[in-house]
Amino acid sequence: SAVISQKPSRDICQRGTSLTIQCQVDSQVTMMFWYRQQPGQSLTLIATANQGSEATYESGFVIDKFPISRPNLTFSTLTVSNMSPEDSSIYLCSVGVARQETQYFGPGTRLLVL
Amino acid sequence: GESVGLHLPTLSVQEGDNSIINCAYSNSASDYFIWYKQESGKGPQFIIDIRSNMDKRQGQRVTVLLNKTVKHLSLQIAATQPGDSAVYFCAEIYNYGQNFVFGPGTRLSVLP
Repeated sequence: SAVISQKPSRDICQRGTSLTIQCQVDSQVTMMFWYRQQPGQSLTLIATANQGSEATYESGFVIDKFPISRPNLTFSTLTVSNMSPEDSSIYLCSVGVARQETQYFGPGTRLLVL
Repeated sequence: GESVGLHLPTLSVQEGDNSIINCAYSNSASDYFIWYKQESGKGPQFIIDIRSNMDKRQGQRVTVLLNKTVKHLSLQIAATQPGDSAVYFCAEIYNYGQNFVFGPGTRLSVLP
C-alpha cells in the first residue's frame, strides 16, 4: 500500500476564507480521490482528481466551491472556498493503485469553520 | 448489545468476546467489498476484502462473510481487544472500481 500524507492535519478558519489541503503520496498512483466526512457520519466522495485535466465532481459538489489540482501522479490539492460553518468536516484524500480497486486513505484534515 | 447513537449505530462487546458487525449493501452489481477500520483522529485503514465469487475470507482474527442473495456483508472479529475499538465501514465497489460506496459505519466499543 502507498504512504499518504496530508497537510494541514487540522485547522480552524474564519467564515468567508479559503483553505487549501495538500495530499502527497510516496509513489505514483493512478487514481486520487477527495472525500468529506461530516461529524459522526460516513464518507462522501467529493471528486476524482485527474492528472493533467479537470477533476470529476460528484453530484452536489462543484468546482467553484472545491477546486482541485493534480499536477502530477503523486500530489493533489483540494481547496475549500468561501467557507461557512457547514464546511466543518474531515477531508480525506485516498489513492487507488493501478489494476487494483482498493483505495488507501490519508490521515485526514480536520477543519473547523467559525 | 447494539443501539443507535446520535449518528452511528454502536456495538458494545466485552473484551475477549467475538464481535459481528453487519452491513447491508445496495447494488447487486457490486463485485468487490472492503472493510475499513477508522480510529479516532485517523483515516480509514484497510482491514480485509472479498470478491463476489467468494462467500467467506479469513484474515488474522477477522473473517468477512458475503451473502449475495440478501446483499449482506459481515465482519467477525475474534477475541475482541481494546485496540479494536473504532468505527468500522463497509465499502461496495462496482464498475471496475469506478464506483466506491461507503456504508454508514458502526462504532465498536470494547468494554473491559
